[in-house]
Amino acid sequence: QVQLQQSGAELVKPGSSVKISCKASGYTFTSYDMHWIKQQPGNGLEWIGWIYPGNGNTKYNQKFNGKATLTADKSSSTAYMQLSSLTSEDSAVYFCARWGLGWYFDYWGQGVMVTVSS
Amino acid sequence: EIVLTQSPTTTAASPGEKVTITCLASSSVSNMYWYQQKSGASPKLLIYSTSSLASGVPDRFSGSGSGTSYSLTINTMEAEDAATYYCQQWSSNPLTFGSGTKLEIK
Repeated sequence: QVQLQQSGAELVKPGSSVKISCKASGYTFTSYDMHWIKQQPGNGLEWIGWIYPGNGNTKYNQKFNGKATLTADKSSSTAYMQLSSLTSEDSAVYFCARWGLGWYFDYWGQGVMVTVSS
Repeated sequence: EIVLTQSPTTTAASPGEKVTITCLASSSVSNMYWYQQKSGASPKLLIYSTSSLASGVPDRFSGSGSGTSYSLTINTMEAEDAATYYCQQWSSNPLTFGSGTKLEIK
């Protein structure tokens, strides 16, 4: 069955970077877009962008240009998101989600809590 | 950017009661999607393409709407439906979500 397994919680210092992962299984990784979504504590969902692992093409929400970098490793079926120049505003849960053939998010990872604190 | 405004922000319903959540878009969208998120969990797809029920979702859930006004209805509230509900569009970039409606059980 399809699974998206995300890496563990991160505690990072302001100004630093963090790279979180999303390991896919149960389907052909290179055939589906992988999206990333941010959820701040008690807040709604905010779309960051997507990557197509088949060729590495990416598309970002303009708001996250320069903040998030999406990559994918076909050999390990793992998608990555690096967040840079971290501030307290980046403290959030980050989800990866597969964009299904029906044009919706059909599978989600469990989320990664990133806490930015000195 | 298309802004999706949900109402109400918070509501409570008794078991068996009918619940309607509204999502208003700042510009016309071709389709709306609805997700349910329970506390501490990932969102789960409920409705796609405005009115189609996702696999495994009870048929007490339904969606409708067009243009700038969409709604999610729960015909008969059950305790397990207590959650936060989000609408989502991708008729234009960037993909956006509504601000969420928290539904509690009375």
